[in-house]
Amino acid sequence: DSGVTQTPKHLITATGQRVTLRCSPRSGDLSVYWYQQSLDQGLQFLIQYYNGEERAKGNILERFSAQQFPDLHSELNLSSLELGDSALYFCASSVGDSFTDTQYFGPGTRLTVL
Amino acid sequence: ELKVEQNPLFLSMQEGKNYTIYCNYSTTSDRLYWYRQDPGKSLESLFVLLSNGAVKQEGRLMASLDTKARLSTLHITAAVHDLSATYFCAVDSRNNNDMRFGAGTRLTVKP
Repeated sequence: DSGVTQTPKHLITATGQRVTLRCSPRSGDLSVYWYQQSLDQGLQFLIQYYNGEERAKGNILERFSAQQFPDLHSELNLSSLELGDSALYFCASSVGDSFTDTQYFGPGTRLTVL
Repeated sequence: ELKVEQNPLFLSMQEGKNYTIYCNYSTTSDRLYWYRQDPGKSLESLFVLLSNGAVKQEGRLMASLDTKARLSTLHITAAVHDLSATYFCAVDSRNNNDMRFGAGTRLTVKP
């Protein structure tokens, strides 16, 4: 158990809908990272927040957005969902703001868009 | 654009044998990461390599980085079944604050 929690574990929704994925970092970690893993595109880094501020941005679509709240939990919002958004979404947390800090990964949320 | 290539993509090996996974990347970077993913599970950070010539070892796994050749290797010594997993390398682009992953190497260790 990494100490990182993600909810929900599974999510099934329809095209065009909007969903919110939630991540709670390990106690004491200030950074949250979001990743997408799909058969088509493999593993992709989406975005990083550190202590409430956006720190790094990867291949995140404009339909997707994220935020980190004062209690350091983070939410990833996915809107106007398409079939291709079906994937595993992982979050990870680390103490510092650098990719070089050891990241601890949550169990993931499996999103299915029908 | 930062690209990361791993090979092989699939690797089946017998217990007790040695093998190497290769990770090539397309742009200047001195920060290379290795991760492990067990089937149906999440990711686990294995190694962070931060400079040319960096070498790190954990058990039967040893990772190294050659930034001039833009190459990292993950060497498996005397493989055991517990090492069966998918291994990913990743590189971050400090200028763009982005990270790119390789496609992963699915390792199966057979008795």
